[in-house]
Amino acid sequence: RKEVEQDPGPFNVPEGATVAFNCTYSNSASQSFFWYRQDCRKEPKLLMSVYSSGNEDGRFTAQLNRASQYISLLIRDSKLSDSATYLCVVTLNTGGFKTIFGAGTRLFVKA
Amino acid sequence: NAGVTQTPKFRVLKTGQSMTLLCAQDMNHEYMYWYRQDPGMGLRLIHYSVGEGTTAKGEVPDGYNVSRLKKQNFLLGLESAAPSQTSVYFCASSTPGQGTEAFFGQGTRLTVV
Repeated sequence: RKEVEQDPGPFNVPEGATVAFNCTYSNSASQSFFWYRQDCRKEPKLLMSVYSSGNEDGRFTAQLNRASQYISLLIRDSKLSDSATYLCVVTLNTGGFKTIFGAGTRLFVKA
Repeated sequence: NAGVTQTPKFRVLKTGQSMTLLCAQDMNHEYMYWYRQDPGMGLRLIHYSVGEGTTAKGEVPDGYNVSRLKKQNFLLGLESAAPSQTSVYFCASSTPGQGTEAFFGQGTRLTVV
């Protein structure tokens, strides 16, 4: 079992739609959680951190469920420019540094 | 701001050749990392460094060596390239701590034939 699992998609949605991605992690010692965005043939960039209380940044909302060991990303009012791959990232402290990236979920927003 | 710069951006190697990928950051970050990204696999950590003069193995270190002689530079070496090392390589840097953002370079597309 992968330590961080994501549905690879692709998710094909029309402009204006609401879309949600989930990501599960296997290690209960995971401490920090992030969503990164990666455009085609580009480097990953931080989209938002994910806090236990949940957090919102404009059209993007991230949630963390420690009991079930998953995080989610909700995108409202999808734009064409949201088309990208979204990477779930988990860091944990097991006596040494470890940051684990999910394989990503591809999103295509169409007009 | 340059941020994290990787050179070269593209390279084709023959099996058995060697090469060095250079990563330079101008943000005074302590931590630096080398990842490889393959289709369906996500980013996998090759080696990382928590400071000048220190390096450590990541998830997939075999076939690679690294050096961090200066704080701003992190070099990734392939001594004898193999087709299995065909991948996109990303360098990243960050400040210490669990909850800090990692800044990535633009990647190096390496093909080993």
